[in-house]
Amino acid sequence: DVKVTQSSRYLVKRTGEKVFLECVQDMDHENMFWYRQDPGLGLRLIYFSYDVKMKEKGDIPEGYSVSREKKERFSLILESASTNQTSMYLCASSLWARANYGYTFGSGTRLTVV
Amino acid sequence: QQQVKQSPQSLIVQKGGISIINCAYENTAFDYFPWYQQFPGKGPALLIAIRPDVSEKKEGRFTISFNKSAKQFSLHIMDSQPGDSATYFCAASIASNTGKLIFGQGTTLQVKP
Repeated sequence: DVKVTQSSRYLVKRTGEKVFLECVQDMDHENMFWYRQDPGLGLRLIYFSYDVKMKEKGDIPEGYSVSREKKERFSLILESASTNQTSMYLCASSLWARANYGYTFGSGTRLTVV
Repeated sequence: QQQVKQSPQSLIVQKGGISIINCAYENTAFDYFPWYQQFPGKGPALLIAIRPDVSEKKEGRFTISFNKSAKQFSLHIMDSQPGDSATYFCAASIASNTGKLIFGQGTTLQVKP
Protein backbone atom coordinates (compact mmCIF):
# COMPACT_ATOMS: atom_id res chain seq x y z
CA ASP A 1 0.00 0.00 0.00
CA VAL A 2 1.40 3.36 -1.00
CA LYS A 3 2.14 5.75 1.77
CA VAL A 4 2.99 9.24 2.82
CA THR A 5 4.63 9.13 6.21
CA GLN A 6 4.98 12.11 8.51
CA SER A 7 7.66 11.65 11.13
CA SER A 8 5.75 12.93 14.14
CA ARG A 9 2.10 12.67 15.09
CA TYR A 10 2.28 15.25 17.88
CA LEU A 11 4.88 17.91 18.62
CA VAL A 12 5.14 20.52 21.34
CA LYS A 13 7.71 23.26 20.78
CA ARG A 14 8.62 26.51 22.47
CA THR A 15 8.27 29.94 20.92
CA GLY A 16 11.40 30.84 18.97
CA GLU A 17 12.54 27.27 18.38
CA LYS A 18 13.47 26.06 14.90
CA VAL A 19 11.12 23.21 14.01
CA PHE A 20 11.52 20.54 11.36
CA LEU A 21 8.57 18.55 10.04
CA GLU A 22 9.55 15.60 7.88
CA CYS A 23 7.55 13.84 5.17
CA VAL A 24 8.49 10.78 3.13
CA GLN A 25 6.57 9.16 0.26
CA ASP A 26 7.22 5.80 -1.35
CA MET A 27 5.28 6.28 -4.60
CA ASP A 28 7.95 7.98 -6.72
CA HIS A 29 5.67 11.04 -7.00
CA GLU A 30 7.12 14.22 -8.44
CA ASN A 31 4.86 16.66 -6.59
CA MET A 32 4.88 17.15 -2.84
CA PHE A 33 2.90 19.64 -0.80
CA TRP A 34 2.66 21.07 2.69
CA TYR A 35 -0.73 22.28 3.92
CA ARG A 36 -1.90 23.50 7.27
CA GLN A 37 -5.40 22.71 8.47
CA ASP A 38 -7.29 25.03 10.78
CA PRO A 39 -11.00 24.83 11.74
CA GLY A 40 -13.15 26.96 9.46
CA LEU A 41 -10.23 27.73 7.15
CA GLY A 42 -9.86 24.38 5.42
CA LEU A 43 -6.51 23.35 3.98
CA ARG A 44 -4.17 26.18 3.08
CA LEU A 45 -1.10 25.58 0.94
CA ILE A 46 2.21 26.60 2.49
CA TYR A 47 4.73 25.37 -0.08
CA PHE A 48 4.94 22.81 -2.82
CA SER A 49 7.69 21.16 -4.81
CA TYR A 50 7.43 19.67 -8.28
CA ASP A 51 10.96 18.28 -8.45
CA VAL A 52 14.07 17.75 -6.37
CA LYS A 53 15.50 21.06 -5.20
CA MET A 54 12.56 22.91 -6.75
CA LYS A 55 10.00 24.73 -4.61
CA GLU A 56 7.25 27.27 -4.97
CA LYS A 57 5.42 29.36 -2.42
CA GLY A 58 1.83 28.59 -1.72
CA ASP A 59 -0.76 30.90 -0.22
CA ILE A 60 0.73 31.28 3.29
CA PRO A 61 4.54 30.85 3.09
CA GLU A 62 5.47 33.50 5.66
CA GLY A 63 7.44 32.06 8.56
CA TYR A 64 8.11 28.78 6.76
CA SER A 65 10.72 27.33 4.45
CA VAL A 66 11.10 23.92 2.80
CA SER A 67 13.79 21.55 1.66
CA ARG A 68 13.68 18.80 -0.95
CA GLU A 69 17.08 17.19 -1.37
CA LYS A 70 15.69 13.79 -2.43
CA LYS A 71 12.60 12.96 -4.46
CA GLU A 72 10.94 11.01 -1.67
CA ARG A 73 11.50 13.52 1.16
CA PHE A 74 10.00 16.98 1.68
CA SER A 75 10.73 18.90 4.86
CA LEU A 76 8.88 21.88 6.29
CA ILE A 77 10.90 24.23 8.48
CA LEU A 78 9.54 26.77 10.91
CA GLU A 79 12.45 29.16 11.24
CA SER A 80 11.31 30.62 14.57
CA ALA A 81 8.15 29.02 15.86
CA SER A 82 5.35 31.29 17.02
CA THR A 83 2.06 30.52 18.77
CA ASN A 84 0.07 31.38 15.63
CA GLN A 85 1.77 28.43 13.94
CA THR A 86 -0.02 26.03 16.26
CA SER A 87 -1.93 23.89 13.78
CA MET A 88 -2.33 20.54 12.05
CA TYR A 89 0.23 20.15 9.27
CA LEU A 90 -0.50 17.82 6.38
CA CYS A 91 1.94 16.57 3.77
CA ALA A 92 0.70 15.24 0.42
CA SER A 93 2.13 13.93 -2.82
CA SER A 94 0.85 13.48 -6.39
CA LEU A 95 2.07 12.56 -9.84
CA TRP A 96 3.43 15.42 -11.94
CA ALA A 97 0.67 17.49 -13.57
CA ARG A 98 -1.75 14.68 -12.85
CA ALA A 99 -4.05 16.10 -10.20
CA ASN A 100 -6.74 13.80 -11.51
CA TYR A 101 -4.88 10.93 -9.89
CA GLY A 102 -5.49 12.67 -6.59
CA TYR A 103 -3.33 13.56 -3.69
CA THR A 104 -2.16 11.02 -1.14
CA PHE A 105 -2.00 12.62 2.29
CA GLY A 106 -0.09 11.70 5.38
CA SER A 107 -1.90 11.42 8.71
CA GLY A 108 -0.72 14.84 9.83
CA THR A 109 1.43 16.37 12.53
CA ARG A 110 -0.33 18.33 15.23
CA LEU A 111 2.06 21.04 16.31
CA THR A 112 1.56 23.05 19.47
CA VAL A 113 3.80 26.07 20.05
CA VAL A 114 3.86 27.26 23.65
CA GLN B 1 -10.38 34.44 -7.81
CA GLN B 2 -8.46 31.45 -6.55
CA GLN B 3 -10.89 30.73 -3.75
CA VAL B 4 -13.28 27.84 -3.37
CA LYS B 5 -16.15 28.58 -1.01
CA GLN B 6 -17.79 25.67 0.77
CA SER B 7 -21.01 25.47 2.78
CA PRO B 8 -22.33 24.58 5.25
CA GLN B 9 -19.54 24.46 7.82
CA SER B 10 -21.35 21.69 9.70
CA LEU B 11 -24.23 19.37 8.93
CA ILE B 12 -26.29 16.94 10.97
CA VAL B 13 -28.32 14.33 9.11
CA GLN B 14 -30.40 11.39 10.27
CA LYS B 15 -29.40 7.91 9.16
CA GLY B 16 -30.91 7.18 5.76
CA GLY B 17 -31.20 10.85 4.85
CA ILE B 18 -29.48 12.82 2.07
CA SER B 19 -26.43 14.93 2.91
CA ILE B 20 -25.73 17.85 0.58
CA ILE B 21 -22.57 19.97 0.61
CA ASN B 22 -22.10 22.87 -1.78
CA CYS B 23 -19.07 24.60 -3.27
CA ALA B 24 -18.62 27.63 -5.49
CA TYR B 25 -15.61 28.91 -7.40
CA GLU B 26 -14.64 31.95 -9.46
CA ASN B 27 -11.72 30.86 -11.63
CA THR B 28 -13.12 29.56 -14.92
CA ALA B 29 -9.75 27.94 -15.70
CA PHE B 30 -10.37 25.28 -13.06
CA ASP B 31 -10.95 21.96 -14.78
CA TYR B 32 -10.75 19.35 -12.06
CA PHE B 33 -13.03 19.18 -9.01
CA PRO B 34 -12.37 16.48 -6.41
CA TRP B 35 -13.94 15.81 -3.05
CA TYR B 36 -11.90 14.55 -0.12
CA GLN B 37 -13.11 12.74 2.99
CA GLN B 38 -11.25 12.99 6.30
CA PHE B 39 -11.85 10.84 9.36
CA PRO B 40 -10.56 11.97 12.77
CA GLY B 41 -6.85 11.33 13.17
CA LYS B 42 -6.37 10.65 9.46
CA GLY B 43 -5.33 12.65 6.45
CA PRO B 44 -7.92 13.48 3.77
CA ALA B 45 -8.51 10.79 1.15
CA LEU B 46 -9.85 11.22 -2.37
CA LEU B 47 -13.54 10.30 -2.47
CA ILE B 48 -14.79 11.24 -5.93
CA ALA B 49 -13.85 13.73 -8.64
CA ILE B 50 -15.40 15.33 -11.74
CA ARG B 51 -14.24 17.16 -14.84
CA PRO B 52 -16.40 20.04 -16.21
CA ASP B 53 -17.36 18.19 -19.39
CA VAL B 54 -19.99 16.22 -17.44
CA SER B 55 -22.81 17.46 -15.20
CA GLU B 56 -22.96 14.53 -12.83
CA LYS B 57 -20.82 11.67 -11.60
CA LYS B 58 -22.01 8.89 -9.35
CA GLU B 59 -20.03 6.35 -7.36
CA GLY B 60 -22.16 4.22 -5.10
CA ARG B 61 -24.02 6.47 -2.68
CA PHE B 62 -21.88 9.50 -3.56
CA THR B 63 -22.79 11.86 -6.41
CA ILE B 64 -21.17 15.06 -7.63
CA SER B 65 -23.46 17.50 -9.42
CA PHE B 66 -21.69 20.15 -11.48
CA ASN B 67 -23.18 23.40 -12.81
CA LYS B 68 -20.60 25.05 -15.06
CA SER B 69 -22.64 28.18 -15.82
CA ALA B 70 -23.23 28.87 -12.13
CA LYS B 71 -19.66 27.86 -11.21
CA GLN B 72 -20.97 25.58 -8.51
CA PHE B 73 -20.65 21.92 -7.64
CA SER B 74 -22.07 19.82 -4.87
CA LEU B 75 -21.66 16.46 -3.15
CA HIS B 76 -24.76 14.40 -2.42
CA ILE B 77 -24.56 11.45 -0.06
CA MET B 78 -27.61 9.24 -0.44
CA ASP B 79 -28.82 6.96 2.36
CA SER B 80 -26.33 8.57 4.74
CA GLN B 81 -24.82 6.21 7.32
CA PRO B 82 -23.11 6.85 10.68
CA GLY B 83 -19.89 5.64 9.05
CA ASP B 84 -20.08 8.63 6.68
CA SER B 85 -19.52 10.96 9.65
CA ALA B 86 -16.36 12.81 8.67
CA THR B 87 -15.07 16.13 7.40
CA TYR B 88 -15.53 16.71 3.68
CA PHE B 89 -13.47 19.08 1.55
CA CYS B 90 -14.19 20.20 -1.98
CA ALA B 91 -11.28 21.34 -4.11
CA ALA B 92 -10.43 22.66 -7.54
CA SER B 93 -7.38 22.84 -9.74
CA ILE B 94 -6.09 23.32 -13.22
CA ALA B 95 -5.12 19.71 -13.93
CA SER B 96 -2.76 20.55 -16.77
CA ASN B 97 -0.75 22.80 -14.49
CA THR B 98 1.29 21.70 -11.48
CA GLY B 99 -1.75 19.99 -10.03
CA LYS B 100 -1.99 22.40 -7.14
CA LEU B 101 -5.34 21.97 -5.42
CA ILE B 102 -7.28 24.83 -3.86
CA PHE B 103 -9.43 23.50 -1.02
CA GLY B 104 -12.71 24.70 0.42
CA GLN B 105 -13.18 25.41 4.11
CA GLY B 106 -14.51 21.94 4.96
CA THR B 107 -17.83 20.57 6.19
CA THR B 108 -18.12 18.43 9.29
CA LEU B 109 -20.89 15.87 8.73
CA GLN B 110 -22.52 13.99 11.59
CA VAL B 111 -24.96 11.23 10.71
CA LYS B 112 -27.15 10.33 13.67
CA PRO B 113 -28.27 6.70 14.06
